[in-house]
Amino acid sequence: EVQLVESGGGLVQPGGSLRLSCAASGFTFGDYYMHWVRQAPGEGLVWVSRIDRDGTSTVYADSVEGRFTISRDNAKKTVYLQMNSPRVDDTAVYYCAREPTDSYGMDVWGQGTTVTVSS
Amino acid sequence: DIQMTQSPSSLSAYVGDSVTITCQASEDIRDYLNWYQHKPGKAPKLLIHDASNLATGVPSRFSGSGSGTDFTLTISSLQPEDFATYFCQQCDSLPLTFGPGTKVDVK
Repeated sequence: EVQLVESGGGLVQPGGSLRLSCAASGFTFGDYYMHWVRQAPGEGLVWVSRIDRDGTSTVYADSVEGRFTISRDNAKKTVYLQMNSPRVDDTAVYYCAREPTDSYGMDVWGQGTTVTVSS
Repeated sequence: DIQMTQSPSSLSAYVGDSVTITCQASEDIRDYLNWYQHKPGKAPKLLIHDASNLATGVPSRFSGSGSGTDFTLTISSLQPEDFATYFCQQCDSLPLTFGPGTKVDVK
């Protein structure tokens, strides 16, 4: 079964750090771009970051640029989101998703992991 | 950044109704437009990619059309499992951006 499972969410203080993980199974992980998308309470979906198939190219939303880092380990079939200096407005459910080719669309998503930034 | 708008923001419909949702981009995105269905507590689901192509496993009652700046998603005969929020998303250029969503609920 094709599956993405996020983990690592929780409560973090503003200015702290947290690392999210997304474990893939059921498909050839290295063949796909991987994304992180988030949804704040009561809000819509917001794209956060993308990493290419071999991890050499990364792109970020302006709101997280310089604070968050996306990375992947193709041997472990896992993509990560390192969240440094999180802010209260980073509070959201974070989803990972795969994309078969550039500009195709995210065809498989995880169930999400909840991050709450609060003191 | 490309801004995406959707209308209506919500609608109420009966099972069996035909429903149309529109999405507009702030600039020409050719056909780089995707539609997703999202239910609370669930993973979003890709319905349509490249404006009009049905994603794998998606029922044929879903269809998409449009190009440039104006797009539509149509559900031809609403089923009970279709009550959800629908988002459009442009993938013409980074940053990827989503519309604000259209919530479809039971009338």
